[in-house]
Order: sequence, then C-alpha cells, then structure tokens
Amino acid sequence: EVQLVESGGGLVKPGGSLRLSCAASGFTFSSYSMSWVRQAPGKGLEWVSSMSSSGSYIYYADSVKGRFTISRDNAKNSLYLQMNSLRAEDTAVYYCARVRVAVDDAFDIWGQGTMVTVSS
Amino acid sequence: QLVLTQSPSASASLGASVKLTCTLSSGHSSYTIAWHQQQPEKGPRYLMKLNSDGSHSRGDGIPDRFSGSSSGAERYLTISSLQSEDEADYYCQTWGTGIWFFGGGTKLTVL
Repeated sequence: EVQLVESGGGLVKPGGSLRLSCAASGFTFSSYSMSWVRQAPGKGLEWVSSMSSSGSYIYYADSVKGRFTISRDNAKNSLYLQMNSLRAEDTAVYYCARVRVAVDDAFDIWGQGTMVTVSS
Repeated sequence: QLVLTQSPSASASLGASVKLTCTLSSGHSSYTIAWHQQQPEKGPRYLMKLNSDGSHSRGDGIPDRFSGSSSGAERYLTISSLQSEDEADYYCQTWGTGIWFFGGGTKLTVL
C-alpha cells in the first residue's frame, strides 16, 4: 500500500524549532519529488516546500523562506522539514505529499498530517 | 499573479449531481490543474489531473462518478450520484516552475 506517515509535530514556543518527518512506503521513494503542505486551523491548503527526487531542486514558499529547510534521505525513504524561528502563524497541520510524475506536477499521494502549534 | 478562485460553498441532494468550479486568473487559462478532496478530519485525497482541453486522468481508485471538464479559464469537477461520503472540502491546485498554488476550497454539503 502506498503510504505517507508524518510525525514530529507538537507544541513549541515562538522562536523555537521543530523537525517534522515523513516516512514513505509502497513506492520507490527515490524516484519522486516530494512536498510539504500546511493547513492552518479552519483554513485552506498552503504549499510550503518541495524537493526533487535527487535533492537537486529545492523550492520554498516566501512565507517560510530562510526559516524552514526541506531535506530527504532516500536510503531511509524519508522526507524532513526543519522549522526554525517559528511564529504563531506557522500553527497548522503539516502534510507530506508526493509529486505525481514530473518535478512540477500535481500532488497525488498525501499523508494524514501532523499538528504543529506555536504558542507561548 | 497566478490565482485560483473557488466558491466557498455548494450543496446538492443525495443522488443528484453537482458541478464545482475553479477559475484561473487572467493570462493563465491554459494551465493544467488537479482536484483534491478533503473529508472532515482527514488528509486530502487526489482525485484527478485536468487539462485545459478537458482531458483528465483520475487517481487510483477514484470512481468514475468524479469527472472533470474545462472551458476557457474555468475548470470543473462534476460529481454524479452524490453519496453522503462526498460531503467534503474540494480544492483545486495548479503549479509553475518551482511553485504550487491552491484555490481557497469549496465546502460541499450533501442534503
């Protein structure tokens, strides 16, 4: 079964850091670009960051550029998001998603999400 | 600026059909989009990829009750034979080189 499972969410103070993980299974992880998408409580989906299969291409939304770092370990079938200098507005459910085929393409597999709450 | 516009809400009766709309901003009418469904308290689920000519490819396991069509800058998702489990938020998505966008979502209520 093709699956993405996020972990690492929790409560963190403003200015703090958190590292999210996404474990992939059921497909050849190293062949796909991967992304992070977030959803603030009661709001819509917001793209956060994407990384190509080999890590050669990395993209960030302006709202997180300079604070978040995406990375992956193809040997461990895992995607990561290091989040630093967290703000209240980063509070959201964070989803890991697979990019369908090309480097730039739709997201065709989603995880169940992990909640990040930034609050003092 | 690439923007996707969706109506905030829609409703239709059990067993009926409904057509949801996603509108691409001016100058972007040729863009391919994707439709995603998000049931309450769940992660999103990919429904299909929809091209400007109306051709579409559904995701694995997506029933043919879900279909897509296009007209100019409008992209449509039609759900036929509505079931209670179709009550969900529906998002359209598009992308450029190194950037992705989502519409604001449409909340579908099945009456």
